Amino acid sequence: KAGVTQTPRYLIKTRGQQVTLSCSPISGHRSVSWYQQTPGQGLQFLFEYFSETQRNKGNFPGRFSGRQFSNSRSEMNVSTLELGDSALYLCASSLEGAGGRNEQFFGPGTRLTVL
Amino acid sequence: DAKTTQPTSMDCAEGRAANLPCNHSTISGNEYVYWYRQIHSQGPQYIIHGLKNNETNEMASLIITEDRKSSTLILPHATLRDTAVYYCIVRPSFSSGSARQLTFGSGTQLTVLP
Repeated sequence: KAGVTQTPRYLIKTRGQQVTLSCSPISGHRSVSWYQQTPGQGLQFLFEYFSETQRNKGNFPGRFSGRQFSNSRSEMNVSTLELGDSALYLCASSLEGAGGRNEQFFGPGTRLTVL
Repeated sequence: DAKTTQPTSMDCAEGRAANLPCNHSTISGNEYVYWYRQIHSQGPQYIIHGLKNNETNEMASLIITEDRKSSTLILPHATLRDTAVYYCIVRPSFSSGSARQLTFGSGTQLTVLP
């Protein structure tokens, strides 16, 4: 079974631009979560989607948004980019299966650099 | 989620067992212990999780103390490719609301030496 895929893998943008990142979960997984990883702050939770609905949200400004499609694929968008948005953006999917098993499986990430 | 405490770094000789400790003294009765690892610049990789019984899979073994206040992840025969940051996380498996997210600490940098 294919793992979580993220596109693009690398991205360079300038301040003020916006960016859209894409995530395809493992087949059958309906929950998709997004995380931001920086050297200074570590791994921080952005938001989670389940069945096209945002179920949980971290402490990030409104410039960070996301959505999920009917096939469980998800996108996140960052508007008005700032230098501090340079980070590795990680997507994770989970099965939400019977027995409460909800281990999250991560994709390789998108490395965003804001100049 | 309960807080966890892990050593900042550890070394292990290739071929030997790597034993990574984690303290989680405030763990609640419904919280599981999860272990993930992250090889440099890659996404975190799920390793194993358990509630109170010891667990083993193809990657590792998880030993949880009887009082559940600490655990040890064991990589039985460490290889160079096991060099990574290892994160110990406690959270309810039947997660709901904000508990569903993973809260990563600083982890342990394991370096496997040739």
